[in-house]
Amino acid sequence: DTEVTQTPKHLVMGMTNKKSLKCEQHMGHRAMYWYKQKAKKPPELMFVYSYEKLSINESVPSRFSPECPNSSLLNLHLHALQPEDSALYLCASSPWTENTEAFFGQGTRLTVV
Amino acid sequence: AQSVTQLGSHVSVSEGALVLLRCNYSSSVPPYLFWYVQYPNQGLQLLLKYTTGATLVKGINGFEAEFKKSETSFHLTKPSAHMSDAAEYFCAVRSNTGNQFYFGTGTSLTVIP
Repeated sequence: DTEVTQTPKHLVMGMTNKKSLKCEQHMGHRAMYWYKQKAKKPPELMFVYSYEKLSINESVPSRFSPECPNSSLLNLHLHALQPEDSALYLCASSPWTENTEAFFGQGTRLTVV
Repeated sequence: AQSVTQLGSHVSVSEGALVLLRCNYSSSVPPYLFWYVQYPNQGLQLLLKYTTGATLVKGINGFEAEFKKSETSFHLTKPSAHMSDAAEYFCAVRSNTGNQFYFGTGTSLTVIP
């Protein structure tokens, strides 16, 4: 299994809603990532988890809250989002070795109304 | 800090023509370099990677890239473009001190019939 699975594929939410994005991988990777990607732009790193601990927390608004329940799962909790948060949210994972690539999920297309 | 620069945000080629997408890296130590392709509303798919060893790297779908240390470049090529190659292409470098991936700004490839 070389897949990173993200659910849901599409999500429309209001600014007062609370929702969660889910990501799962069974490749034994110990690093997992959340990226935000706007149209025609490269992915922007939001969070990195390594060995289930948040190792890098960029200056991401607190309305985004990551959670890593175990080494195979990564969630992104969303609360009180703004329309400008509409984007493609990508999850990725990689082994904890330097010469390996990141494996990406298909993404969740989020629209905030 | 490591980074990659992609020259040309848009490249158009005729079907059957050579594809050349440019990427230059900034690194004080040998980097780990990657090319990813992204189709609309999908995740990133690895085309090829350079870690160590042979400087000419072959990837999927007929793509290849050559690592040139003297030029700090890792350009992506394909001898004959196909309509299905139309997509967004990202060059990326992995940090050798952590688990971050840094992406270039991307090149949108259009293939003209």
